Amino acid sequence: DTAVSQTPKYLVTQMGNDKSIKCEQNLGHDTMYWYKQDSKKFLKIMFSYNNKELIINETVPNRFSPKSPDKAHLNLHINSLELGDSAVYFCASSPRTAGNYGYTFGSGTRLTVV
Amino acid sequence: DQQVKQNSPSLSVQEGRISILNCDYTNSMFDYFLWYKKYPAEGPTFLISISSIKDKNEDGRFTVFLNKSAKHLSLHIVPSQPGDSAVYFCAAYTSGTYKYIFGTGTRLKVLA
Repeated sequence: DTAVSQTPKYLVTQMGNDKSIKCEQNLGHDTMYWYKQDSKKFLKIMFSYNNKELIINETVPNRFSPKSPDKAHLNLHINSLELGDSAVYFCASSPRTAGNYGYTFGSGTRLTVV
Repeated sequence: DQQVKQNSPSLSVQEGRISILNCDYTNSMFDYFLWYKKYPAEGPTFLISISSIKDKNEDGRFTVFLNKSAKHLSLHIVPSQPGDSAVYFCAAYTSGTYKYIFGTGTRLKVLA
């Protein structure tokens, strides 16, 4: 009965490939996020959607494209993968105004580009 | 441009003693601060938060202190237990931005 679930948990792929990571939440939250944790352990926001509307789009290469078919799902598509894309990607959700309540994170997808 | 900093990458504490994890920030516009706990191969989980209008918030063994003049917050865990061994992230939030800015984490090891 996972609140925020991401698939796959591990993804190993070659440079130049296109891949997708899926995320679903069953908490009824309005807002979903993608965060990237790099090799230096920085957790940085990439995108956020509120009720299928893009509200945060940080400085991310346009090879990364989020898609939110409904407010319970936020997928991440990555085209032409590069070695530097290797990281752990976390999906999260929150009530519209997270404020004091925090996010609920998924368990992460470890992407390795070889 | 690291607005939230955790300068201690690791900390070891004996079981039963106090663990103190520190976090510094630079942006005076932050109005909420949170602590997250992360176990290996799992996502961070929300632990405790504090509003910028308060200087202390307590939840069981966990207490967060905020010193706005020093732009510093700390998480106290008393008494520390082996199950508290994890990476702890502090995060800061500005209303209306919809995002948290995270520190790089401190790995706490509680020794039995």
